[in-house]
Amino acid sequence: GQSLEQPSEVTAVEGAIVQINCTYQTSGFYGLSWYQQHDGGAPTFLSYNALDGLEETGRFSSFLSRSDSYGYLLLQELQMKDSASYFCAVSASQQAGTALIFGKGTTLSVSS
Amino acid sequence: NAGVMQNPRHLVRRRGQEARLRCSPMKGHSHVYWYRQLPEEGLKFMVYLQKENIIDESGMPKERFSAEFPKEGPSILRIQQVVRGDSAAYFCASSQKVSGANVLTFGAGSRLTVL
Repeated sequence: GQSLEQPSEVTAVEGAIVQINCTYQTSGFYGLSWYQQHDGGAPTFLSYNALDGLEETGRFSSFLSRSDSYGYLLLQELQMKDSASYFCAVSASQQAGTALIFGKGTTLSVSS
Repeated sequence: NAGVMQNPRHLVRRRGQEARLRCSPMKGHSHVYWYRQLPEEGLKFMVYLQKENIIDESGMPKERFSAEFPKEGPSILRIQQVVRGDSAAYFCASSQKVSGANVLTFGAGSRLTVL
Protein backbone atom coordinates (compact mmCIF):
# COMPACT_ATOMS: atom_id res chain seq x y z
CA GLY A 1 0.00 0.00 0.00
CA GLN A 2 0.90 3.64 -0.21
CA SER A 3 0.38 6.32 2.43
CA LEU A 4 1.45 9.88 3.02
CA GLU A 5 1.17 11.66 6.34
CA GLN A 6 1.13 15.41 6.82
CA PRO A 7 -0.35 17.65 9.55
CA SER A 8 -3.95 18.64 8.95
CA GLU A 9 -3.58 22.27 10.04
CA VAL A 10 -0.86 24.85 10.62
CA THR A 11 -1.29 28.45 11.73
CA ALA A 12 1.23 31.28 11.53
CA VAL A 13 1.48 35.06 11.34
CA GLU A 14 2.59 37.24 8.48
CA GLY A 15 6.34 37.40 8.05
CA ALA A 16 6.93 34.13 9.89
CA ILE A 17 8.48 30.89 8.63
CA VAL A 18 6.49 27.66 8.59
CA GLN A 19 7.51 24.08 7.81
CA ILE A 20 5.02 21.47 6.60
CA ASN A 21 6.29 17.92 7.02
CA CYS A 22 5.42 14.90 4.95
CA THR A 23 6.32 11.27 5.58
CA TYR A 24 5.54 8.64 3.01
CA GLN A 25 5.35 4.91 2.69
CA THR A 26 5.24 3.60 -0.86
CA SER A 27 6.16 0.42 -2.68
CA GLY A 28 8.30 2.43 -5.10
CA PHE A 29 9.54 6.01 -5.19
CA TYR A 30 10.33 8.38 -8.02
CA GLY A 31 10.06 11.80 -6.38
CA LEU A 32 8.20 14.03 -3.93
CA SER A 33 6.12 16.96 -5.17
CA TRP A 34 4.25 19.77 -3.46
CA TYR A 35 1.03 21.42 -4.65
CA GLN A 36 -0.94 24.41 -3.41
CA GLN A 37 -4.72 24.73 -3.52
CA HIS A 38 -6.68 27.88 -2.75
CA ASP A 39 -10.30 27.57 -1.63
CA GLY A 40 -10.97 24.32 -3.47
CA GLY A 41 -9.66 25.66 -6.77
CA ALA A 42 -7.22 24.07 -9.17
CA PRO A 43 -4.15 22.68 -7.37
CA THR A 44 -0.94 24.21 -8.67
CA PHE A 45 2.56 22.76 -8.72
CA LEU A 46 5.09 24.27 -6.29
CA SER A 47 8.20 22.10 -6.24
CA TYR A 48 9.72 18.69 -6.82
CA ASN A 49 12.53 16.69 -5.23
CA ALA A 50 13.93 13.50 -6.69
CA LEU A 51 17.25 13.56 -4.84
CA ASP A 52 18.15 14.27 -1.22
CA GLY A 53 18.60 17.88 -0.30
CA LEU A 54 17.00 21.28 -0.52
CA GLU A 55 15.40 22.88 -3.56
CA GLU A 56 14.78 26.61 -3.32
CA THR A 57 12.28 28.59 -5.38
CA GLY A 58 11.87 32.12 -4.09
CA ARG A 59 10.15 32.12 -0.70
CA PHE A 60 9.42 28.41 -0.92
CA SER A 61 11.89 25.58 -0.40
CA SER A 62 11.41 21.86 -0.36
CA PHE A 63 13.57 19.20 1.24
CA LEU A 64 13.83 15.46 0.77
CA SER A 65 15.51 12.65 2.68
CA ARG A 66 14.99 9.40 0.80
CA SER A 67 16.57 7.31 3.54
CA ASP A 68 14.04 8.68 6.05
CA SER A 69 11.09 8.68 3.61
CA TYR A 70 10.57 12.26 4.69
CA GLY A 71 10.28 15.66 3.16
CA TYR A 72 9.11 19.13 4.04
CA LEU A 73 7.95 22.35 2.46
CA LEU A 74 9.37 25.53 3.97
CA LEU A 75 7.55 28.80 3.46
CA GLN A 76 9.37 31.98 4.41
CA GLU A 77 8.21 35.57 4.80
CA LEU A 78 4.63 34.40 5.00
CA GLN A 79 1.97 36.53 3.37
CA MET A 80 -1.80 36.44 3.79
CA LYS A 81 -2.12 35.07 0.26
CA ASP A 82 -0.19 31.96 1.36
CA SER A 83 -3.29 30.82 3.26
CA ALA A 84 -4.20 27.68 1.36
CA SER A 85 -4.01 23.90 1.46
CA TYR A 86 -0.67 22.28 0.72
CA PHE A 87 -0.38 18.72 -0.52
CA CYS A 88 2.63 16.47 -0.76
CA ALA A 89 2.50 13.85 -3.49
CA VAL A 90 4.66 10.95 -4.56
CA SER A 91 5.32 9.31 -7.86
CA ALA A 92 5.32 5.73 -6.71
CA SER A 93 6.97 4.27 -9.77
CA GLN A 94 10.22 4.62 -11.63
CA GLN A 95 8.29 5.19 -14.84
CA ALA A 96 7.80 8.73 -16.05
CA GLY A 97 4.22 9.84 -16.34
CA THR A 98 2.92 7.68 -13.51
CA ALA A 99 0.02 9.06 -11.53
CA LEU A 100 0.77 11.01 -8.37
CA ILE A 101 -0.58 9.86 -5.03
CA PHE A 102 -1.51 12.80 -2.78
CA GLY A 103 -1.55 13.27 0.96
CA LYS A 104 -4.68 14.61 2.65
CA GLY A 105 -3.28 18.13 2.73
CA THR A 106 -2.28 20.70 5.30
CA THR A 107 -4.43 23.79 5.73
CA LEU A 108 -2.23 26.82 6.38
CA SER A 109 -3.85 29.85 7.95
CA VAL A 110 -1.82 33.06 7.96
CA SER A 111 -3.00 35.88 10.19
CA SER A 112 -1.88 39.48 10.45
CA ASN B 1 -2.57 28.90 -24.54
CA ALA B 2 -5.52 27.53 -22.64
CA GLY B 3 -4.87 25.35 -19.64
CA VAL B 4 -6.77 22.22 -18.72
CA MET B 5 -10.43 22.82 -19.48
CA GLN B 6 -13.14 21.04 -17.56
CA ASN B 7 -16.87 21.21 -18.03
CA PRO B 8 -19.35 21.50 -16.64
CA ARG B 9 -18.05 23.43 -13.64
CA HIS B 10 -21.13 22.51 -11.66
CA LEU B 11 -23.50 19.62 -12.24
CA VAL B 12 -26.60 18.64 -10.29
CA ARG B 13 -28.07 15.20 -10.71
CA ARG B 14 -30.78 13.20 -8.98
CA ARG B 15 -30.06 9.75 -7.66
CA GLY B 16 -30.04 7.20 -10.45
CA GLN B 17 -29.14 9.63 -13.23
CA GLU B 18 -25.90 9.70 -15.19
CA ALA B 19 -23.13 12.27 -14.88
CA ARG B 20 -20.65 13.01 -17.66
CA LEU B 21 -17.61 15.14 -16.92
CA ARG B 22 -15.34 16.37 -19.70
CA CYS B 23 -11.70 17.33 -19.71
CA SER B 24 -9.57 18.80 -22.47
CA PRO B 25 -5.86 18.57 -21.59
CA MET B 26 -3.32 21.28 -22.20
CA LYS B 27 -2.05 21.48 -25.75
CA GLY B 28 0.83 19.04 -26.18
CA HIS B 29 -0.07 16.95 -23.12
CA SER B 30 -0.79 13.31 -23.80
CA HIS B 31 -1.37 12.09 -20.24
CA VAL B 32 -4.69 12.67 -18.46
CA TYR B 33 -5.50 11.93 -14.82
CA TRP B 34 -8.77 12.10 -12.91
CA TYR B 35 -8.90 12.78 -9.18
CA ARG B 36 -11.81 13.04 -6.74
CA GLN B 37 -11.83 15.39 -3.78
CA LEU B 38 -14.31 15.36 -0.92
CA PRO B 39 -14.68 18.45 1.30
CA GLU B 40 -11.71 18.94 3.64
CA GLU B 41 -9.94 15.94 2.12
CA GLY B 42 -7.10 15.26 -0.26
CA LEU B 43 -7.07 14.36 -3.91
CA LYS B 44 -7.83 10.72 -4.44
CA PHE B 45 -6.44 9.22 -7.63
CA MET B 46 -9.02 7.54 -9.85
CA VAL B 47 -7.66 6.84 -13.32
CA TYR B 48 -4.76 7.62 -15.66
CA LEU B 49 -5.22 7.60 -19.41
CA GLN B 50 -3.32 8.23 -22.59
CA LYS B 51 -4.96 8.58 -25.98
CA GLU B 52 -7.28 5.59 -26.49
CA ASN B 53 -5.69 3.70 -23.59
CA ILE B 54 -6.41 3.31 -19.90
CA ILE B 55 -3.02 3.01 -18.22
CA ASP B 56 -4.03 2.74 -14.56
CA GLU B 57 -7.58 2.55 -13.21
CA SER B 58 -6.68 1.19 -9.80
CA GLY B 59 -8.40 4.11 -8.00
CA MET B 60 -11.68 3.93 -9.82
CA PRO B 61 -14.66 2.02 -8.41
CA LYS B 62 -15.32 -1.12 -10.44
CA GLU B 63 -19.02 -0.40 -10.84
CA ARG B 64 -20.81 2.61 -12.30
CA PHE B 65 -17.59 4.53 -13.11
CA SER B 66 -15.84 4.57 -16.46
CA ALA B 67 -13.36 6.80 -18.25
CA GLU B 68 -12.17 7.27 -21.78
CA PHE B 69 -9.77 9.43 -23.73
CA PRO B 70 -10.62 9.00 -27.41
CA LYS B 71 -8.34 9.75 -30.32
CA GLU B 72 -10.37 12.89 -31.01
CA GLY B 73 -12.07 14.98 -28.37
CA PRO B 74 -11.89 15.36 -24.61
CA SER B 75 -11.45 12.78 -21.92
CA ILE B 76 -14.75 11.82 -20.30
CA LEU B 77 -15.43 10.52 -16.81
CA ARG B 78 -18.82 8.86 -16.70
CA ILE B 79 -20.73 7.99 -13.56
CA GLN B 80 -23.85 5.91 -14.04
CA GLN B 81 -26.75 5.66 -11.57
CA VAL B 82 -25.29 8.31 -9.30
CA VAL B 83 -25.72 8.09 -5.53
CA ARG B 84 -25.36 10.80 -2.90
CA GLY B 85 -21.88 9.56 -2.01
CA ASP B 86 -20.71 10.52 -5.50
CA SER B 87 -21.11 14.20 -4.61
CA ALA B 88 -17.60 15.62 -4.81
CA ALA B 89 -15.26 17.77 -6.83
CA TYR B 90 -13.71 15.90 -9.73
CA PHE B 91 -10.40 17.27 -10.95
CA CYS B 92 -8.73 16.47 -14.21
CA ALA B 93 -5.00 16.99 -14.72
CA SER B 94 -2.68 16.57 -17.67
CA SER B 95 1.05 16.25 -18.17
CA GLN B 96 3.69 15.73 -20.82
CA LYS B 97 5.80 12.60 -20.95
CA VAL B 98 9.00 13.69 -19.23
CA SER B 99 11.85 11.86 -17.60
CA GLY B 100 11.98 14.03 -14.48
CA ALA B 101 9.22 15.52 -12.44
CA ASN B 102 5.77 14.56 -13.59
CA VAL B 103 4.26 18.03 -13.23
CA LEU B 104 0.50 17.90 -13.31
CA THR B 105 -1.53 20.84 -14.57
CA PHE B 106 -4.99 20.75 -13.04
CA GLY B 107 -8.27 22.04 -14.33
CA ALA B 108 -10.65 24.06 -12.15
CA GLY B 109 -12.70 20.97 -11.36
CA SER B 110 -16.27 19.83 -11.87
CA ARG B 111 -18.45 19.90 -8.79
CA LEU B 112 -21.07 17.19 -8.79
CA THR B 113 -24.03 17.41 -6.44
CA VAL B 114 -26.37 14.45 -6.20
CA LEU B 115 -29.79 15.21 -4.76
